[in-house]
Amino acid sequence: AQKVTQAQTEISVVEKEDVTLDCVYETRDTTYYLFWYKQPPSGELVFLIRRNSFDEQNEISGRYSWNFQKSTSSFNFTITASQVVDSAVYFCALSDALGSWGKLQFGAGTQVVVTP
Amino acid sequence: DTAVSQTPKYLVTQMGNDKSIKCEQNLGHDTMYWYKQDSKKFLKIMFSYNNKELIINETVPNRFSPKSPDKAHLNLHINSLELGDSAVYFCASSLIPPGLAGQETQYFGPGTRLLVL
Repeated sequence: AQKVTQAQTEISVVEKEDVTLDCVYETRDTTYYLFWYKQPPSGELVFLIRRNSFDEQNEISGRYSWNFQKSTSSFNFTITASQVVDSAVYFCALSDALGSWGKLQFGAGTQVVVTP
Repeated sequence: DTAVSQTPKYLVTQMGNDKSIKCEQNLGHDTMYWYKQDSKKFLKIMFSYNNKELIINETVPNRFSPKSPDKAHLNLHINSLELGDSAVYFCASSLIPPGLAGQETQYFGPGTRLLVL
């Protein structure tokens, strides 16, 4: 069965600090997809990144970077030089390739609070 | 220009009432979903439709009935509302070609905040 664990409930940082959000997943499938979504205080869910299980290259997009390690079943997310606008709940999610029709299994989310 | 839209944005109603939430996507996607986010922010899938056909039906009370009149719309009707139905309901859509399920990104609507009194 699929499972996504985000052990950090809340992380508080001061602006310009780096913050890393952990995501550990479980699946029996060899092909799967991992996602990160951001939910700002306004409530919408904003897609950040998708990664498939065969691509372990780390990715950087501006101040955001992701570290995918199959050996530890982790897909961690780092915000560099955090800003107040980064304050949000961040969700990691997993989707199996076959038979699930894209059903997303979400983690519980990590609340990031960035103070000036 | 909105990709996935939901109406209404807020819904306050009394226990026992019946209500509907509408969702529309203009992305040309084939698959649409309903997710429920509870008060602890936990997100869980409820239903999924592909080309108007029900694909995923999680353990949801049968008071909840999705309806897809066409592949761009997926509505959620809730009968006999209960206090525990209070939550944020998100609609999402994705493009899933046959045989490649799971790989496409799901784009979410803004959510409908339902409060049952």
